[in-house]
Amino acid sequence: DQQVKQNSPSLSVQEGRISILNCDYTNSMFDYFLWYKKYPAEGPTFLISISSIKDKNEDGRFTVFLNKSAKHLSLHIVPSQPGDSAVYFCAASAYSGTASKLTFGTGTRLQVTL
Amino acid sequence: NAGVTQTPKFQVLKTGQSMTLQCAQDMNHEYMSWYRQDPGMGLRLIHYSVGAGITDQGEVPNGYNVSRSTTEDFPLRLLSAAPSQTSVYFCASSNPREKLFFGSGTQLSVL
Repeated sequence: DQQVKQNSPSLSVQEGRISILNCDYTNSMFDYFLWYKKYPAEGPTFLISISSIKDKNEDGRFTVFLNKSAKHLSLHIVPSQPGDSAVYFCAASAYSGTASKLTFGTGTRLQVTL
Repeated sequence: NAGVTQTPKFQVLKTGQSMTLQCAQDMNHEYMSWYRQDPGMGLRLIHYSVGAGITDQGEVPNGYNVSRSTTEDFPLRLLSAAPSQTSVYFCASSNPREKLFFGSGTQLSVL
């Protein structure tokens, strides 16, 4: 039972264009969403997050949009750069009072071409 | 500032062998966890701890043991390695409701 889904295993975008990575979730208890970026042979690193009380959060070239009614979030990267080529994981958390367990999606490999 | 340190980076085991993956963090984080990453499966939670002396199971705990005797350390033990445990293992830490910081991973092969 995949509670967080990234249905596109890979995405190729030209440098300078917009990259849009999508994520769907099924658990209505999720109230905090994050995107992580992972390069080969490294651990995932935090990119951007959004709380369920917001529908948009921006940080430089990265913007995350949350549509609670559709249980869908997306990450926009504008403009895309070759250094953005990596695997992107969507993650979600439901406040449990004692822990911040993250449920991850399967990842989308982004390739930014010159 | 070392962050989250995992050792070893690579390990090859034979079926039935035991070993411990080490994880240490120097950020005084209460929360620590272990994930495994497999192709097409994303990152799946194995075990987690909300503080010294407190551990709990995640999504895929079978075949793994953990303990948390100090705030800094959270080792993962494989009691009898199986080929299905071939994976990349990541340790992570955070304060509650804050972003997870990950180590650089341990690539484990079980033959």
